[in-house]
Amino acid sequence: GAGVSQTPSNKVTEKGKYVELRCDPISGHTALYWYRQSLGQGPEFLIYFQGTGAADDSGLPNDRFFAVRPEGSVSTLKIQRTERGDSAVYLCASSLGEVGNEQFFGPGTRLTVL
Amino acid sequence: AQSVSQHNHHVILSEAASLELGCNYSYGGTVNLFWYVQYPGQHLQLLLKYFSGDPLVKGIKGFEAEFIKSKFSFNLRKPSVQWSDTAEYFCAVNAGTGGFKTIFGAGTRLFVKA
Repeated sequence: GAGVSQTPSNKVTEKGKYVELRCDPISGHTALYWYRQSLGQGPEFLIYFQGTGAADDSGLPNDRFFAVRPEGSVSTLKIQRTERGDSAVYLCASSLGEVGNEQFFGPGTRLTVL
Repeated sequence: AQSVSQHNHHVILSEAASLELGCNYSYGGTVNLFWYVQYPGQHLQLLLKYFSGDPLVKGIKGFEAEFIKSKFSFNLRKPSVQWSDTAEYFCAVNAGTGGFKTIFGAGTRLFVKA
C-alpha cells in the first residue's frame, strides 16, 4: 500500500510568514510523529499523536509551532512567524499504536526561510 | 533527559571489511532501541530493533546489534560490508514505559568503497 506522504516537498518562505506542512500517514496507523532534521543531525522529536490527541508535544521548540490531527489521520504542522533558524527538513512518520513499533517515515518537507 | 550518542560521524570502509558503529544512550529505565538507515535518495527505514529478550538482535541485510545494558550501548555490526551498504545510520531510543517519544542520534555516514 501507499507509504507516508508529505506535502509540499519543498517550501521557500520569507521570514515572518506562516507555513503549513501536511502529512498523510499510512492507513490504519494510529500513532503519528513529527521530527525536524537539520543538516548533519539526526531527526529531532517534535510531537506525536495517538489518534486525534497530541500525546507528547514536549519537543516543540516554542509556541510558534503547533500541530493538529483533527480526524486521527492527516496531520498539519503549523509554524507562525517563521525565522531563518526554522529552516530544516521536517519529517513525518507513522506507526501502529503499540509502544516501540516500527516508524514508517515520509520523504520530508524541506523548509527554507529566507 | 534521554540522549543518544553515536561515536563516529563518518566511516569509510572497503568492501568485505567488518563494520561496527557505536551507539550509547543515557536513560536509566527500560528502553526500546532501534537502528534506522537512510540510503541515498530514500526515506529512513528500520534496520533492526530491541525490545527485550536476547540482547543480540538480527536485522535485515546481515546486520546485527548487541544490547549491553551495563554499558548503555547498542552497537551495530556487520561482518562483511558491501558497496550497497553505503548510507547514513541512526541509532534511536525510546523509554520502554514512557510512550512513543523517540530520540535519535546524530547519525553515522558510511561510505563503502567498491
